[in-house]
Amino acid sequence: AQTVTQSQPEMSVQEAETVTLSCTYDTSESDYYLFWYKQPPSRQMILVIRQEAYKQQNATENRFSVNFQKAAKSFSLKISDSQLGDAAMYFCAYRVLDSNYQLIWGAGTKLIIKP
Amino acid sequence: EPEVTQTPSHQVTQMGQEVILRCVPISNHLYFYWYRQILGQKVEFLVSFYNNEISEKSEIFDDQFSVERPDGSNFTLKIRSTKLEDSAMYFCASAGQGIEDTQYFGPGTRLTVL
Repeated sequence: AQTVTQSQPEMSVQEAETVTLSCTYDTSESDYYLFWYKQPPSRQMILVIRQEAYKQQNATENRFSVNFQKAAKSFSLKISDSQLGDAAMYFCAYRVLDSNYQLIWGAGTKLIIKP
Repeated sequence: EPEVTQTPSHQVTQMGQEVILRCVPISNHLYFYWYRQILGQKVEFLVSFYNNEISEKSEIFDDQFSVERPDGSNFTLKIRSTKLEDSAMYFCASAGQGIEDTQYFGPGTRLTVL
């Protein structure tokens, strides 16, 4: 069974600094997708970034980038120039490649931004 | 930008009562999902829906749960007889034309069962 592990329940970073959130996953599939979602206090789930497993190039979205290590089954999120609005729960998720394409989720990392 | 909407934002109900949670997916999307998140816990998959039928459901999605797309826009989750343990945030998501498309989430409905 596929699993997603986020080993950091909470991280804190000084505003304008860089922080990296860790995620590892377990799968026997060779083709899949990985996601980072952000959940601010409003509790809405917002897509941050997506990575296709067949792509070697790491995905980037403005200040957000990933370090995708397929062999190590690692998918970390780097946030550069942290802003107060980045404070949220961050969830790593894996897309199962079968008929239902459900997302499998990690437990989340709470990111605190210190002003 | 199109977005998924959900109503109500917060629903309080008595144990044993029926509740219907409503979602309006993004208009040209074809794949629909319900997830739930019990406070402080992981997000859990409930059910996926495509072509007017359930394509997959989890163990959580027992006979007390049902989904429906009654018209071209709404996607509903019904819980027939709520239990205390059904208290959670319920998220609706939709994905586009291709099954590999990203799932976009609504703001969630907070269900409180008393």
